Amino acid sequence: QVQLVESGGGVVQPGRSLRLSCAASGFSFGRYTMTWVRQAPGKGLEWLGLISYDGDNEHYADSVKGRFTLSRDNSKNTMFLQMDSLRPDDTAVYYCARELTGGLGFDYWGQGTLVTVSS
Amino acid sequence: EIVVTQSPANLSLSPGERATLSCWASQSVSTSLAWIQHKPGQAPRLLIYDASNRAPGIPARFRGSASGADFGLTISSLEPEDFAVYYCQLRTNRPPRITFGGGTRVEMK
Repeated sequence: QVQLVESGGGVVQPGRSLRLSCAASGFSFGRYTMTWVRQAPGKGLEWLGLISYDGDNEHYADSVKGRFTLSRDNSKNTMFLQMDSLRPDDTAVYYCARELTGGLGFDYWGQGTLVTVSS
Repeated sequence: EIVVTQSPANLSLSPGERATLSCWASQSVSTSLAWIQHKPGQAPRLLIYDASNRAPGIPARFRGSASGADFGLTISSLEPEDFAVYYCQLRTNRPPRITFGGGTRVEMK
């Protein structure tokens, strides 16, 4: 079955970097656009960015453009989120998800990984 | 920038009652809309894609609708497992952007 497992979360100081991973299994990873979404404590869902099936195209939310970078390694069925210059308001649970063909929704989600930005 | 608004923010209902959730976009553009269910500590779950199509395994009591830039999710008869937060998710294509609504919390009365 389709599984997405995020890892790499933890406590990090403001201004530092962190890289999250999303390991995929149970489907042809290299055929799907993938995305990252986060949820800050007490807040709603916030889209961060998406990366095309082949990694050639990335698109970002304005709130993270220039600080966050999406990448993927289709040979390892893994997507990454590089987060630089982290701020306390980046504290959130970070989810990866698979996008349905045609951009019609995100049909599978991981359980999330918690990132806490604090000194 | 498209703004996506959900209403109401909170809905207090009893099992067996009908839930009616609304979502609208600030602009009428070429978009696709999905509805997501999210429970604390769990992965979000896709309910409806492309405004009115139920995702595999989603019960028939969930129905999505669309009229221009206005979208709706109806749960015909609430089951205990339906109490959760519901988000609409709008995708625009040039450039690709996803915007979530602020969510509707459906709580048990």
